[in-house]
Amino acid sequence: GAVVSQHPSRVICKSGTSVKIECRSLDFQATTMFWYRQFPKQSLMLMATSNEGSKATYEQGVEKDKFLINHASLTLSTLTVTSAHPEDSSFYICSATKDGLVETQYFGPGTRLLVL
Amino acid sequence: KNEVEQSPQNLTAQEGEFITINCSYSVGISALHWLQQHPGGGIVSLFMLSSGKKKHGRLIATINIQEKHSSLHITASHPRDSAVYICAVIFFGNQFYFGTGTSLTVIP
Repeated sequence: GAVVSQHPSRVICKSGTSVKIECRSLDFQATTMFWYRQFPKQSLMLMATSNEGSKATYEQGVEKDKFLINHASLTLSTLTVTSAHPEDSSFYICSATKDGLVETQYFGPGTRLLVL
Repeated sequence: KNEVEQSPQNLTAQEGEFITINCSYSVGISALHWLQQHPGGGIVSLFMLSSGKKKHGRLIATINIQEKHSSLHITASHPRDSAVYICAVIFFGNQFYFGTGTSLTVIP
């Protein structure tokens, strides 16, 4: 099967610091990865689409300077929350596709971020 | 406007009961996912459908393209099925929309 991992699974940081979240496809090459965030008792919201070797495409309302995405290889995408604030506390989930198709996504286990 | 609606929002069932969760959407889609999210947060893709019916163990997913409706059925439910079940659709144009989820609790 297709396995996607995320690291860390949980992180607590102070307000104003930056946090990097990694998303890895363990047994396949992912040309495209997606980053989602989920607030408590709400559904997932797509933040950005990350394509290997090119700039990420951000959804409307997502600040690209605050949520830096790097997809440097076919197995790794990173999301960096810069100058984190308490309102950035959320559950961040990545997914990856083998073939670049939105229809076929494999989800990571998520990263819970708490900003104090 | 593209919309995805799930029902019910919350569902409590006794172990062994047959469970149905519904998903309706407003415009044509290229595919539909049923996802399972456990209390820890991790998401598992249960099914991807573009037509007909799929079965995996005690889980059955159906989709009616004409009626713009999909159902997820769980037969002989078990407490370990307790999770949030999310319907996600891909509208033509590659837009991925998630329903708000159905929180299922199966009581022993």
